Amino acid sequence: AQSVTQLGSHVSVSEGALVLLRCNYSSSVPPYLFWYVQYPNQGLQLLLKYTSAATLVKGINGFEAEFKKSETSFHLTKPSAHMSDAAEYFCAVSVNTGGFKTIFGAGTRLFVKA
Amino acid sequence: EPEVTQTPSHQVTQMGQEVILRCVPISNHLYFYWYRQILGQKVEFLVSFYNNEISEKSEIFDDQFSVERPDGSNFTLKIRSTKLEDSAMYFCASSEQVQGYNEQFFGPGTRLTVL
Repeated sequence: AQSVTQLGSHVSVSEGALVLLRCNYSSSVPPYLFWYVQYPNQGLQLLLKYTSAATLVKGINGFEAEFKKSETSFHLTKPSAHMSDAAEYFCAVSVNTGGFKTIFGAGTRLFVKA
Repeated sequence: EPEVTQTPSHQVTQMGQEVILRCVPISNHLYFYWYRQILGQKVEFLVSFYNNEISEKSEIFDDQFSVERPDGSNFTLKIRSTKLEDSAMYFCASSEQVQGYNEQFFGPGTRLTVL
């Protein structure tokens, strides 16, 4: 079965500091991996996706993630945090098991301090 | 840019009442999904739908739930007799049939409050 584990339910960084949100996945078949961001009382916005092409994936708002098969990881990074990055971030895996569905991690809330 | 839309944005209902949540997927998409997110928790898969039938459902999707594509544009989720624990944000999603990869586009969600 597929699953996603996000390490750390809360992460706090200072403005301008590196953002690192950790995600590990479990999948018996090659996965498609995603990071979504959710601002308070809003829907899900796709930040970036891995679809078996380049292992380093660049997304919107300066975020990127690297797929490491040997570590079953897909960590999200951003070199310099902005106040506007404060939100909930979800790592997700999607696998074709006859029908696609997306399995989400529990989420990591990012706080950015001035 | 095409997008998935959902109505209403917020639905308040009494326990035991039936509710229908509506979604308009992206027009050329063939796969449709419902997810829910209880406040403060993660997003959970409910059901996927393809070719006018359910292709997969989770254990959450019990007999109280049903889905339908009543016409060429709408995709609905019906909860027959709502319970307090059905209060959540419900997200609709759709995707093209693309071999090997199937990105889902999510709607903005309907917040369901059961009193």
